[in-house]
Amino acid sequence: AQRVTQPEKLLSVFKGAPVELKCNYSYSGSPELFWYVQYSRQRLQLLLRHISRESIKGFTADLNKGETSFHLKKPFAQEEDSAMYYCALGTSGTYKYIFGTGTRLKVLA
Amino acid sequence: DTGVSQDPRHKITKRGQNVTFRCDPISEHNRLYWYRQTLGQGPEFLTYFQNEAQLEKSRLLSDRFSAERPKGSFSTLEIQRTEQGDSAMYLCAGSASSAETGARIAGELFFGEGSRLTVL
Repeated sequence: AQRVTQPEKLLSVFKGAPVELKCNYSYSGSPELFWYVQYSRQRLQLLLRHISRESIKGFTADLNKGETSFHLKKPFAQEEDSAMYYCALGTSGTYKYIFGTGTRLKVLA
Repeated sequence: DTGVSQDPRHKITKRGQNVTFRCDPISEHNRLYWYRQTLGQGPEFLTYFQNEAQLEKSRLLSDRFSAERPKGSFSTLEIQRTEQGDSAMYLCAGSASSAETGARIAGELFFGEGSRLTVL
């Protein structure tokens, strides 16, 4: 079964501290992984995707097929990073995206 | 602004009534998705269209739910005989095929602001 697991509902860190939001997936095919973010009172939007191998707003994520993980990392958290973060799995052969339950990141001053 | 608009933004209805939500993506969005989101959960896939064709429908979607995209542009999601368990945020997202992703997977999802349904 296709599944995305985000084990932490809430993650609180102090400004300037490193951040790691965990995401594990279950999928037998070739996965496409994404991170979406929802800031307060804004719509859900793409943060980054693994095929681009890019850093957005200081965030990076590496696909680890051996551990079936796609953790989101940032070395120094900023207050404006406070938001809901959703990991999403795209399945090859169809165009369906499966989302995790999300992690709320709170960056404390 | 993602170019995806949803209407209405909030709908309050009584149990047993029918409701319809509308989603207007931009013309480049050949794929259109419907998701449902309840409190504390991530977006849950309901169905998606490629142009006017409905290609997949979640098994979680009961027969009371129906979606259309008649001309491959706007889409409607209708819920018949609403139940209190249908209370949720209904999200629409558009996506366009891209040379980068080719045929493997759709590109970025552009979400609307959602339509919140409250069933009393």
